[in-house]
Amino acid sequence: QKEVEQDPGPLSVPEGAIVSLNCTYSNSAFQYFMWYRQYSRKGPELLMYTYSSGNKEDGRFTAQVDKSSKYISLFIRDSQPSDSATYLCAMSARLRGAQKLVFGQGTRLTINP
Amino acid sequence: NAGVMQNPRHLVRRRGQEARLRCSPMKGHSHVYWYRQLPEEGLKFMVYLQKENIIDESGMPKERFSAEFPKEGPSILRIQQVVRGDSAAYFCASSPPQREGEETQYFGPGTRLLVL
Repeated sequence: QKEVEQDPGPLSVPEGAIVSLNCTYSNSAFQYFMWYRQYSRKGPELLMYTYSSGNKEDGRFTAQVDKSSKYISLFIRDSQPSDSATYLCAMSARLRGAQKLVFGQGTRLTINP
Repeated sequence: NAGVMQNPRHLVRRRGQEARLRCSPMKGHSHVYWYRQLPEEGLKFMVYLQKENIIDESGMPKERFSAEFPKEGPSILRIQQVVRGDSAAYFCASSPPQREGEETQYFGPGTRLLVL
């Protein structure tokens, strides 16, 4: 079993729709949760970072963490064609000062005009 | 404020040659991480370095791969005697000194290695 599971998609939705992306994890030591966006042939770009359970909102993006269920989500409101990208969840546990990130496989999202 | 810089962006090598990938972290960042991304897969951690120290290399293959982050200059990921299976995108990330709430890592554009 992978430490982090993420449906690779692809996911295709019409412009303006609400998008829900999810990851589950098995390691209860994970404390820090991130969402990255990666455009084709580019580096991952940090979108959201959360530390505790609950919701965190930033513009059209909302990150949700449920540590009891080991489940995290990213919601995108009013989705735009420019949101078309691969979305990677990542998480980490501080160990000897190291913060190596464990990534999900990534979900490929397409927003259709 | 320049982001994480990596070069070359694309690298072609024949089997058996050496590949050297370079990474300059963001200004003020003293921690460097290397990740590898195989086609259709997520990123996999390879190694974590601070200046002149390898802190965690648990993700590095035992042979042919090495990394360094000297006192002066960029971090180097070195792959000796490359094989076709080394073809991948290699990403470097950097972060500021590790304090609570500052665990975020910022990624460079990657080096795409193709082994012929």
